Amino acid sequence: EAQVTQNPRYLITVTGKKLTVTCSQNMNHEYMSWYRQDPGLGLRQIYYSMNVEVTDKGDVPEGYKVSRKEKRNFPLILESPSPNQTSLYFCAISRTGLPGELFFGEGSRLTVL
Amino acid sequence: SQQGEEDPQALSIQEGENATMNCSYKTSINNLQWYRQNSGRGLVHLILIRSNEREKHSGRLRVTLDTSKKSSSLLITASRAADTASYFCATDAKSNFGNEKLTFGTGTRLTIIP
Repeated sequence: EAQVTQNPRYLITVTGKKLTVTCSQNMNHEYMSWYRQDPGLGLRQIYYSMNVEVTDKGDVPEGYKVSRKEKRNFPLILESPSPNQTSLYFCAISRTGLPGELFFGEGSRLTVL
Repeated sequence: SQQGEEDPQALSIQEGENATMNCSYKTSINNLQWYRQNSGRGLVHLILIRSNEREKHSGRLRVTLDTSKKSSSLLITASRAADTASYFCATDAKSNFGNEKLTFGTGTRLTIIP
């Protein structure tokens, strides 16, 4: 069964302090993606990756970076977090890529003060 | 703007009743999916319906798709307390940057009253 592990699950930080949210998968799937979920806005895609060293922007990439050096890991980097990045973040993977079924991690709740 | 919009935003029904949620979208799609999210948890895939399909079943779930109206519905029959969750539709569409992605609606919050 697909397993997507995110860390940390909860984090409170301050404006400008760089942080990384990790995402790892156990399925060797090629497609990985990051979403943020905000009340009233649903889920919005931040970045996605079709394979190692292949990444591209989603709808809301500003303020975020990603890397895909290994197939199993897809970290989300906030170089200088701001309060508007307070959100619930989800990593998702897909065996077939889009439009296949997405498997989601349990989420990382980030608060930027 | 959101590709998919669910209706209603919130729905409360008695256990045992059927629950119907609707999703409307704006642009042509290849596929539409429904997901469930228990409070604060990750989303779980329920069902995928392709644009050339009109209806699909999975257990107590029935999904219909009307591409002429750009709408879909999710019916949960004989609801149970465990069905209490938020339900999202998701469509594959081009993003603002021209790349393919899955776009989610804002969800319907379903509450099953025991």
